Amino acid sequence: SQQGEEDPQALSIQEGENATMNCSYKTSINNLQWYRQNSGRGLVHLILIRSNEREKHSGRLRVTLDTSKKSSSLLITASRAADTASYFCATASNNNDMRFGAGTRLTVKP
Amino acid sequence: GAVVSQHPSRVICKSGTSVKIECRSLDFQATTMFWYRQFPKKSLMLMATSNEGSKATYEQGVEKDKFLINHASLTLSTLTVTSAHPEDSSFYICSGERGNTEAFFGQGTRLTVV
Repeated sequence: SQQGEEDPQALSIQEGENATMNCSYKTSINNLQWYRQNSGRGLVHLILIRSNEREKHSGRLRVTLDTSKKSSSLLITASRAADTASYFCATASNNNDMRFGAGTRLTVKP
Repeated sequence: GAVVSQHPSRVICKSGTSVKIECRSLDFQATTMFWYRQFPKKSLMLMATSNEGSKATYEQGVEKDKFLINHASLTLSTLTVTSAHPEDSSFYICSGERGNTEAFFGQGTRLTVV
């Protein structure tokens, strides 16, 4: 089965609200990355968090990592309609091979 | 979720030879497929966007004659690394897009050129 499983699969919120997406994985990792994909476009790298880090911020993004629970969360604060996209987490194990989850489809309504 | 099968998962080849990587969408039609490469300890880099029946769109800095992409059908895209060199050693991963809203990733291919 795939490493990195996101939930929820789909999330619909109003502009201005916060969006939280979760990612769980099964094996030990070197780092975990979050990506965004707009329809018809390639992935855009958002943030990387290493296994020895617990939290990282980048603008309106906040990522947490709990290696004891093998889970990560991505929080987008003060969401905008332009944040509408699919969000994927990907885990990199010690050999650096990456595994993707199924993604969360976020819709932000204006 | 839908399945994208990428093959082979690992390949070792000699310098100067060519290697073909296949990406198949098993249970859906992927009008668009994306090819990525991961450099050591880096995030993924988009190499090209492949549309069925048309030429691939390559990202800046990616040599189209070096990395040949063929999207022959709605369920198959191939990436051929031509005249491979050790610096081409990397992790390559594809994804197939379903209905412009969902993307599904292959398992990736670890290429080692010796």
